[in-house]
Amino acid sequence: GQSLEQPSEVTAVEGAIVQINCTYQTSGFYGLSWYQQHDGGAPTFLSYNALDGLEETGRFSSFLSRSDSYGYLLLQELQMKDSASYFCAVPAGGGNKLTFGTGTQLKVEL
Amino acid sequence: DTEVTQTPKHLVMGMTNKKSLKCEQHMGHRAMYWYKQKAKKPPELMFVYSYEKLSINESVPSRFSPECPNSSLLNLHLHALQPEDSALYLCASRPGTGGNYEQYFGPGTRLTVT
Repeated sequence: GQSLEQPSEVTAVEGAIVQINCTYQTSGFYGLSWYQQHDGGAPTFLSYNALDGLEETGRFSSFLSRSDSYGYLLLQELQMKDSASYFCAVPAGGGNKLTFGTGTQLKVEL
Repeated sequence: DTEVTQTPKHLVMGMTNKKSLKCEQHMGHRAMYWYKQKAKKPPELMFVYSYEKLSINESVPSRFSPECPNSSLLNLHLHALQPEDSALYLCASRPGTGGNYEQYFGPGTRLTVT
């Protein structure tokens, strides 16, 4: 089976840097994705890491260590609009489906 | 067109009603998904259609019945639901080929069963 664990809640101030961790146990691993979901909204894709290392996309970066079964999402220069839930996810079932992590609610304060 | 649309946005139904949720995408994606999401929880996969054929049913009760009339449309037929089925129902699509695992989600249908 698949299990992905994340901290349930993280709070940070505007302009700060925050890291959201994801540890996973999977049978068969393709890579690690991250999704953002605002309250009442749809999950939107942020990033995908297939290989070890850091991928940067603007203010957001994502890191993967396959040997440690661990990844994180790094958000820089936090803005109020970054307040949302963040989910890590892994392709499963031969890549035909996604299994989501437990989710982290990020609150950005002034 | 890079969006997935879902109708209706909100639905209130009684336990004896029959209703349907609709999902549409025009990105040429060949895999489509239904998820159920409860508040403060991750999306839970219900069904996967691949090339218009049902490929995964995650042991969903038969009161939920999916249908894929064509490559752009996905329906979820609802019958004799229970109050615990109240949730946000999300549709998603994926290109369906290669190593592109990114899924595109619709805004969801907020379902309340009374």
